[in-house]
Amino acid sequence: EDQVTQSPEALRLQEGESSSLNCSYTVSGLRGLFWYRQDPGKGPEFLFTLYSAGEEKEKERLKATLTKKESFLHITAPKPEDSATYLCAGFKAAGNKLTFGGGTRVLVKP
Amino acid sequence: KAGVTQTPRYLIKTRGQQVTLSCSPISGHRSVSWYQQTPGQGLQFLFEYFSETQRNKGNFPGRFSGRQFSNSRSEMNVSTLELGDSALYLCASRTTVAGANVLTFGAGSRLTVL
Repeated sequence: EDQVTQSPEALRLQEGESSSLNCSYTVSGLRGLFWYRQDPGKGPEFLFTLYSAGEEKEKERLKATLTKKESFLHITAPKPEDSATYLCAGFKAAGNKLTFGGGTRVLVKP
Repeated sequence: KAGVTQTPRYLIKTRGQQVTLSCSPISGHRSVSWYQQTPGQGLQFLFEYFSETQRNKGNFPGRFSGRQFSNSRSEMNVSTLELGDSALYLCASRTTVAGANVLTFGAGSRLTVL
């Protein structure tokens, strides 16, 4: 059975305190992996698509990396506005059937 | 370019009723998928449509159904509502940007079943 597991479930950071979120996956026929950010009461907001081991993508204070078994989302010098739930999801070659992890709730305190 | 539009944003129903949710994808997008989000189960895939054809279906009972129209707008229907159907229902449309898959979600329809 396809599975995506995120850790930790929750993360409290001080402003400026860098950290990493983990997403491990066992998805047969995985084509790639998405990272999303979700604010309370809103739909997930697209951040990155990663396709192959060794690939890296960056956007502002966020950097996503991919290995053969897991992906990391690094948050460098976070600000309070980075507080959100971060979701990763694996997808296969065809279609939009994503397998989501449970998410990591990040709280950045000023 | 307008994003993915879902209506209604909030609704309250009672057990046994049925509900229809609507989704308009980003203009030009022909692929629409639906997800259910609950605190206990997280985000789970419901179904996917492309050019009015269902391409994929998740592990949900037959009470959950959907369709897509020729203008790519999609609806999902839940019949004989149960308390456990209370959830945020999310619609997404897919495109390819610089060779990468991008799945864009709407704001969701929050269903409460009493």
